[in-house]
Amino acid sequence: DAKTTQPPSMDCAEGRAANLPCNHSTISGNEYVYWYRQIHSQGPQYIIHGLKNNETNEMASLIITEDRKSSTLILPHATLRDTAVYYCIVRAVSSGSARQLTFGSGTQLTVLP
Amino acid sequence: DGGITQSPKYLFRKEGQNVTLSCEQNLNHDAMYWYRQDPGQGLRLIYYSQIVNDFQKGDIAEGYSVSREKKESFPLTVTSAQKNPTAFYLCASSTDSGSYEQYFGPGTRLTVT
Repeated sequence: DAKTTQPPSMDCAEGRAANLPCNHSTISGNEYVYWYRQIHSQGPQYIIHGLKNNETNEMASLIITEDRKSSTLILPHATLRDTAVYYCIVRAVSSGSARQLTFGSGTQLTVLP
Repeated sequence: DGGITQSPKYLFRKEGQNVTLSCEQNLNHDAMYWYRQDPGQGLRLIYYSQIVNDFQKGDIAEGYSVSREKKESFPLTVTSAQKNPTAFYLCASSTDSGSYEQYFGPGTRLTVT
């Protein structure tokens, strides 16, 4: 699976959009981009994933560049409860294969009041 | 409520004792996983199972053992051979089709003294 690079920490004001970047310059054509977050001392929570199109769900939006070498997770209106470590993971998905997730160090997002 | 349960949340053991961590899911997922997390680090895969009665070693399987006798259950035994067993242990499950996102339990924090 391709390696990802994320900034170690970011701050965001409450109510503003949080934009979390991720570089994955060695991504392959069959690899998806997944985002998870982990609130302190809890299990990670799935947020969103995408292949090449932008994606949106009730939690966040995922913007993937046209060359797929980087992506941005957007939390449109950050709240204090969004303070967590955010992990960007690249993983190939194939039918009938349950694949592990490779977690890096992630980005510690702190939402400030 | 569908989900993954891990028990207990906190566990204390003396060095040299084996200890078994429980993981149960009612999501009807085929695949289950065990991860270990050390302070300030990402998750590392210990074992995973794609189907009942079958499991594979992950990146750090030494000193651990698992069983998968039922689809719903994937217990992890931390043996006395594990040199640094104190850690946060996370169990996850996923479908074996579609987007394969993993759902995590709340974790068990094991302290061995």
